Amino acid sequence: GAGVSQSPSNKVTEKGKDVELRCDPISGHTALYWYRQRLGQGLEFLIYFQGNSAPDKSGLPSDRFSAERTGESVSTLTIQRTQQEDSAVYLCASSKTRGGGGTYNEQFFGPGTRLTVL
Amino acid sequence: QKEVEQNSGPLSVPEGAIASLNCTYSDRGSQSFFWYRQYSGKSPELIMSIYSNGDKEDGRFTAQLNKASQYVSLLIRDSQPSDSATYLCAVYYSNSGYALNFGKGTSLLVTP
Repeated sequence: GAGVSQSPSNKVTEKGKDVELRCDPISGHTALYWYRQRLGQGLEFLIYFQGNSAPDKSGLPSDRFSAERTGESVSTLTIQRTQQEDSAVYLCASSKTRGGGGTYNEQFFGPGTRLTVL
Repeated sequence: QKEVEQNSGPLSVPEGAIASLNCTYSDRGSQSFFWYRQYSGKSPELIMSIYSNGDKEDGRFTAQLNKASQYVSLLIRDSQPSDSATYLCAVYYSNSGYALNFGKGTSLLVTP
């Protein structure tokens, strides 16, 4: 089956502009995660969605970042008034369900969106 | 703060040798452990998951988990140049929400 898809693959924007990144999870996966990876750095958790439950926004670095997801489908990550420090690869992952043990929380990543803020 | 520690490397091994990658974690409450492979410029790819103490083998890969000592390792047998990548260790902590905690990765270089 199809994996996680993300669009656009690359985005170049000017400082101060808003950007919207899209993630389409694996069909049947109820949990969706956004991570950020700065050049040469590790993965940084941003936000998590599980079905219709309230999202876990604990990783969002500032109020310029927001994300939405309708049900168990597509998610969008929006960054308002972009700054140069927002330049990174934004990765989306999905898993069958949340937490717990076993294979249900194996996370599968999309190809990422490389964001460059000039 | 949940810590996942890995040696950044680079770890260099000759083709055909066994590559051993190690990871330690800080919290005994962890439940699930994962190894991801990340090629330069690409996204992480799940290669192994392990949930119980002991060894788990999948092809040339063996994951080892020791919860008492709080470490997890990945062995790659018969290493190939195509195995050259950064290997990320990820740990799921039941008390820290639902995100994985990632180490910063170990860079592996397999030389022909």
